[in-house]
Amino acid sequence: ELVLTQSPASVSLSPGERATLSCRASQNIRNFLAWYQQKPGQAPRLLIYDASSRANDIPARFSGGGFGTDFTLTISSLEPEDFAIYYCQQGSNWPPLTFGGGTKVEIK
Amino acid sequence: QVQMVESGGGVVRPGRSLRLSCAASGFTFSSYGMHWVRQAPGKGLEWVADISYDGSKKDYADSVKGRFTISRDNSKNTLYLQMNSLRAEDTAVYYCAKDLLGLVVYVIPSYLDYWGQGTQVTVSS
Repeated sequence: ELVLTQSPASVSLSPGERATLSCRASQNIRNFLAWYQQKPGQAPRLLIYDASSRANDIPARFSGGGFGTDFTLTISSLEPEDFAIYYCQQGSNWPPLTFGGGTKVEIK
Repeated sequence: QVQMVESGGGVVRPGRSLRLSCAASGFTFSSYGMHWVRQAPGKGLEWVADISYDGSKKDYADSVKGRFTISRDNSKNTLYLQMNSLRAEDTAVYYCAKDLLGLVVYVIPSYLDYWGQGTQVTVSS
């Protein structure tokens, strides 16, 4: 089973700061990676797919990159509504679809 | 707009059964693969099962294989998850989610672009 490892597990930042989240795959998944945002009590929301394509209505401050086994999600300037948990997910070698353990972005 | 509403969750004793439903609207349900994903309290996301747009292909996580059955009724725009022999470790919020890509049985890559609000399943004696 393909494993996704996210780092850091949590990060404390201030509004306006840049956030860089990492996701590492245990095998080469080309660019078949997605990022989701989840706020407390809500369902996950697709942010990025194919490693760097923004989903519908996602602000330009969210960007993704990477290929193969190493991927990043960058939030260029944190807005108050961006404090949440972020998950990566691989869509290449499945079943099973697998998710990373998540990175919690907290307000400093 | 795309909407998916799960129902059927509740509190159930270990070993019993439960059937979840997911009513979809706002898109051509019969053209898209569908998934169930769950989230245990305070934990991350765990994929449970998927079904292709035409129902011909079904896949399951090892943790539920042989106990859970995914199905769909395209005439009713509804997805189901029959859960038998429930265990305490099945306690979670269960989400239905839609594949980004449609009209493909073997969807690669698979991403989940719309999710329902979730339904809580609690297995406890």
